[in-house]
Amino acid sequence: SQTIHQWPATLVQPVGSPLSLECTVEGTSNPNLYWYRQAAGRGLQLLFYSVGIGQISSEVPQNLSASRPQDRQFILSSKKLLLSDSGFYLCAWSVARGQPQHFGDGTRLSIL
Amino acid sequence: ELKVEQNPLFLSMQEGKNYTIYCNYSTTSDRLYWYRQDPGKSLESLFVLLSNGAVKQEGRLMASLDTKARLSTLHITAAVHDLSATYFCAVAGGTSYGKLTFGQGTILTVHP
Repeated sequence: SQTIHQWPATLVQPVGSPLSLECTVEGTSNPNLYWYRQAAGRGLQLLFYSVGIGQISSEVPQNLSASRPQDRQFILSSKKLLLSDSGFYLCAWSVARGQPQHFGDGTRLSIL
Repeated sequence: ELKVEQNPLFLSMQEGKNYTIYCNYSTTSDRLYWYRQDPGKSLESLFVLLSNGAVKQEGRLMASLDTKARLSTLHITAAVHDLSATYFCAVAGGTSYGKLTFGQGTILTVHP
């Protein structure tokens, strides 16, 4: 069966520090991968999606970036975090169009 | 731009009562998803609705889709406390990568 792993679960970072969140999927090949942010426990905003290795599309201009170095690995990064980057970050995957997206457990990011 | 609106945003119910959550969307789509989120947790897929007139039921929850009206409903029958959570609908746009646009979420609280 397919599983998705996301880490860390919780992260507290100072303003201006870098960020790296990692997401891996097991049990499937060539999944579509997504990064979402959820602020204040409501509404998910799609940040990035990827349909294959090295293929990243951004939905929202920001100081975040994403990379997909391997088929089932998706990384969310920032060189300098802002206070507004605080939130709950969720990674998701889907196997194909028409299939639901399956979400990881999320990373709660607090910026101080 | 696809917009998805849920109502109500907050729903306080007594155990044993019935209620419906509505999800309206602004442009044509043939795929709609319902998710559940418990406090501090990730999203769990509840239903996938793929065609006009689709109806899915799981326990006390029943979801339906009317693509002509651009409306989906999530009906709760004889609510129990365990159903307390936030419920999101998400609509797929006409893209190959399966981008989802989420509603704001409905926070459901079931009281004894």
